[in-house]
Amino acid sequence: DIQMTQSPSSLSAFVGDRVTITCRASQNIATYLNWYQQEAGKAPKVLIYGASTLQSGVPSRFSGRGSGTDFTLTISSLQPDDFATYYCQQSYSTPRTFGQGTKLEI
Amino acid sequence: EVQLVESGGGSVQPGDSLKLSCVASGFTSSNYWMSWVRQAPGKGLEWVANINEDGSEEYYVDSMRGRFTISRDNAKNSLYLRMDNLRAEDTAVYYCARDYAPTNSYFYYLDVWGKGTTVTVSS
Repeated sequence: DIQMTQSPSSLSAFVGDRVTITCRASQNIATYLNWYQQEAGKAPKVLIYGASTLQSGVPSRFSGRGSGTDFTLTISSLQPDDFATYYCQQSYSTPRTFGQGTKLEI
Repeated sequence: EVQLVESGGGSVQPGDSLKLSCVASGFTSSNYWMSWVRQAPGKGLEWVANINEDGSEEYYVDSMRGRFTISRDNAKNSLYLRMDNLRAEDTAVYYCARDYAPTNSYFYYLDVWGKGTTVTVSS
């Protein structure tokens, strides 16, 4: 199985900050990498697929980069709604493993 | 409105079985792969299984293969997860999700999620 490792596990930031979350795959997954946001008590919501394609309706302050084994999710200017937990997921092969999550706190 | 609604969760004892259901509305589920994802209390997301459009292909995470069975009834726009020999570590919120890839793309992602159904396994 492909292991997905996110860093950091948690992150404190201020409204307006630029933050970057990293996700590393245990083997080459090309750009088969998705990012999700999960607010407390809610179902996850996809932000980015194919490593860098923004899902329709997602604000442009979210961006994704990377290929192979190393990927990043960047939020250019944090808004109050962005304080949530973020997960990467590979869709290169089954099982479609998730990273352990990064909790973004105020 | 595109929507997924899970049901069937509850409190059971170790060794019991449970069958979760997920009903799709607002879209024709038979056109999509569908998945189950779970989340233990205070933990991260764990992909469980998925199934192709006509139910002829099923994939599982190794730790659940043999105990969990994913299935679907396209006439009822429904997805199921049969869970046997439940263990305390299966306690989680179970989400049903639509597995989507844009036309002419293999970039699958989970674009529609239900609100989840809670399974508690305890003696």
